[in-house]
Amino acid sequence: EPEVTQTPSHQVTQMGQEVILRCVPISNHLYFYWYRQILGQKVEFLVSFYNNEISEKSEIFDDQFSVERPDGSNFTLKIRSTKLEDSAMYFCASSGQGKDQPQHFGDGTRLSIL
Amino acid sequence: EDQVTQSPEALRLQEGESSSLNCSYTVSGLRGLFWYRQDPGKGPEFLFTLYSAGEEKEKERLKATLTKKESFLHITAPKPEDSATYLCAVLETSGSRLTFGEGTQLTVNP
Repeated sequence: EPEVTQTPSHQVTQMGQEVILRCVPISNHLYFYWYRQILGQKVEFLVSFYNNEISEKSEIFDDQFSVERPDGSNFTLKIRSTKLEDSAMYFCASSGQGKDQPQHFGDGTRLSIL
Repeated sequence: EDQVTQSPEALRLQEGESSSLNCSYTVSGLRGLFWYRQDPGKGPEFLFTLYSAGEEKEKERLKATLTKKESFLHITAPKPEDSATYLCAVLETSGSRLTFGEGTQLTVNP
């Protein structure tokens, strides 16, 4: 069964550094998302991406964050100048034709900021 | 602002002991309600989508139902492998984001 894959599974970074989290969505999906889950808290929406542009973003997704689809298969989340509070599990998701189709999630990247 | 509240926070069952999880939601317009299962250290795994009040979906020992204000996930004769956190999320008509509840952590003892 097709799945969303994310790399790396765990990223440790010094505060102030830049990180790039990578995702390969399901191949025929058109909508792409990033969510995060701080330890012990609920899953929170960051951004959705469709047709090579951001379609919706949350209040969390400020100028520190950016997304890109550099080629036909990858979808990336860049976090500039990381802060301690950016430590979380970051999940990529994708969905097929139609915004009401279920979003399928990867197993996440655990980001630890030191 | 969309709100999703799940109860109970945690539930312990004996194998074979059926029960229900609740998801109450407040949304200006519901496009869909989604149930996911999350195992420790993993991403949410899609279970069901419900689109309108009165709709029901079933998969093995799980059955999801939807009203205008809440959804239930019924677990019939659960097994230890059903132990996980069950997440409910809503999708509003005007957006693309899922708004998640806090989840119900289910433990099924053999």
